[in-house]
Amino acid sequence: EAGVTQFPSHSVIEKGQTVTLRCDPISGHDNLYWYRRVMGKEIKFLLHFVKESKQDESGMPNNRFLAERTGGTYSTLKVQPAELEDSGVYFCASSQELGLGGNTIYFGEGSWLTVV
Amino acid sequence: AQKVTQAQTEISVVEKEDVTLDCVYETRDTTYYLFWYKQPPSGELVFLIRRNSFDEQNEISGRYSWNFQKSTSSFNFTITASQVVDSAVYFCALSEAVQGAQKLVFGQGTRLTINP
Repeated sequence: EAGVTQFPSHSVIEKGQTVTLRCDPISGHDNLYWYRRVMGKEIKFLLHFVKESKQDESGMPNNRFLAERTGGTYSTLKVQPAELEDSGVYFCASSQELGLGGNTIYFGEGSWLTVV
Repeated sequence: AQKVTQAQTEISVVEKEDVTLDCVYETRDTTYYLFWYKQPPSGELVFLIRRNSFDEQNEISGRYSWNFQKSTSSFNFTITASQVVDSAVYFCALSEAVQGAQKLVFGQGTRLTINP
């Protein structure tokens, strides 16, 4: 069974440009999450989809970030316009139907974003 | 607010030595979950273990063992007879138990280097 896959694995863009990251969760997982780790900091939660709906987007840093999950399958995370402080690793993760918050969350390899 | 502290930023040991990675957490919840993830050089976050707050039994999986102590709010991870392949960054994480939601709070990570 395929794990969580992310594309691109690495991206270098100039400040002010747009980047779109894609995530394909494990098949059958309704829950999809985005996390990121900027340099020297902890991995931090960005948002959580349940199917196509945003369950929790409290971690999104500002309105330059837009996440979508049309059809409840794959998800995209767009950064527009990108700023230098957006550089870091963006992780996507997925899990099966949630009970009382204790499901195992499976992560992808991350998309490494460098803004220059 | 929830918080996870991994005080050891980097650890370096010689192969076959035992090594313990510390994790201390803070939460006001009575029900919560604790996780360990491994991030090898490939970048993917690999799930190692999930433990709920009501289960204080220590767990052993091969050379890996985990010591959960609620009295000290710690969830330490020990690798016995370490091997070079154990070299990675290890993350401890915490999530609260909320129906239909899950948000992981990560520690800063511990970079473990096993030298031959």
